[in-house]
Amino acid sequence: QVQLVQSGAEMKKPGASVKVSCKTSGYTFASYGFTWVRQAPGQGLEWMGWINIDSGHTIYVQSLQDRVIMTTDTSTNTAYMELRSLRSDDTAVYYCARDLLPHHGTPPPMIYWGQGTLVTVSS
Amino acid sequence: QSALTQPASVSGSPGQSITISCTGTSSDVGANNYVSWYQQHPGKVPKLMIYDVNYRPSGVSDRFSGSKSGNTASLTISGLQAEDEADYYCSSFTSSSSWVFGGGTKLTVL
Repeated sequence: QVQLVQSGAEMKKPGASVKVSCKTSGYTFASYGFTWVRQAPGQGLEWMGWINIDSGHTIYVQSLQDRVIMTTDTSTNTAYMELRSLRSDDTAVYYCARDLLPHHGTPPPMIYWGQGTLVTVSS
Repeated sequence: QSALTQPASVSGSPGQSITISCTGTSSDVGANNYVSWYQQHPGKVPKLMIYDVNYRPSGVSDRFSGSKSGNTASLTISGLQAEDEADYYCSSFTSSSSWVFGGGTKLTVL
């Protein structure tokens, strides 16, 4: 079965960076891209961006595009999301999610989700 | 990109039908037929319930259906069950090739 297992909770100081991993299994990694979504405590979902698995092309939400980097590693079937220059309002649960459709040129809906990684930013 | 507009809460009794609206603009909901709906139980991971306005992924009950008219999409849940109590988020593909979520709707089954 398809599984997405994310790295553990992180506590960071303002200005630092965090890199969250999303290790996958149960399907052909090289066929599906990834979306990253975050959810601040008690708040709604925020779409952060998407990485195309074929080209590595990324699309980021405008509010984060200067601070976020999404990558994949086909040798370990793992997706990564790095967020730099952390601020207190970056405190959230970060989710990776796999594309519904394979080899898609634009971000499709998300069908399989990781369990979430809590990132806390506090001095 | 501003969040899509959803009612903060809706409620219904078991067996009834409810509809959750999701209002956007001509740059997102009104621009294409790529509207999705996600269900999230407290402390749980979101689950895709509807995609491309009115398609259900395998395993999702046919009690869930979607529709769209102009800049407003809707999710209808028929035959309400206690297990349907959750937060529901709409999402739309945008003219910027990104997605935007709604603020979420809390469904209470009375």
